Amino acid sequence: AQSVSQHNHHVILSEAASLELGCNYSYGGTVNLFWYVQYPGQHLQLLLKYFSGDPLVKGIKGFEAEFIKSKFSFNLRKPSVQWSDTAEYFCAVNTNAGKSTFGDGTTLTVKP
Amino acid sequence: KAGVTQTPRYLIKTRGQQVTLSCSPISGHRSVSWYQQTPGQGLQFLFEYFSETQRNKGNFPGRFSGRQFSNSRSEMNVSTLELGDSALYLCASTWGGATYEQYFGPGTRLTVT
Repeated sequence: AQSVSQHNHHVILSEAASLELGCNYSYGGTVNLFWYVQYPGQHLQLLLKYFSGDPLVKGIKGFEAEFIKSKFSFNLRKPSVQWSDTAEYFCAVNTNAGKSTFGDGTTLTVKP
Repeated sequence: KAGVTQTPRYLIKTRGQQVTLSCSPISGHRSVSWYQQTPGQGLQFLFEYFSETQRNKGNFPGRFSGRQFSNSRSEMNVSTLELGDSALYLCASTWGGATYEQYFGPGTRLTVT
């Protein structure tokens, strides 16, 4: 069975700092990869996705992620975070139709 | 397009009771998946329905069941509720193509006392 590991449970940054959240998965076949974000009091929203092609994908709000197949990784990055980026971030792997496996999530707190 | 809707948003039940949660997917989406979210276990997959058939199933006991109607709306049922069933139950829909980009509803917060 596939699994997803997110390296950091809680990250605290100051505004304008750069962000990188790690995500590793275990699955030997073709995967669809996602990052979701859950802002306080809101529901899960898709941040970005990778299916195939260019391993560097761009999402909403200036986020990007890089798929490195050899490392089974899909790390999320943002050059300069804002206070409004405070949220919980989930990495997810989809290998079988509507069944996705999620990481435990990383809580990001951005100090103004 | 309207998003995924879930009803009710909040529910309080007593141990031993049963509960039914409802999910209406985005118009045109044929696949509906259910997840349980708890602080200790994170997001765990319950099951997926596609064209009224259960296509995938997670590792939950048989007390958790679901169904999908011809209009793609889905319900999940939990019988003989236990305290540990207290969680946020999330529904996600997708069109059903190869990429399975899921769109989530706001969830139903179930509290079992």
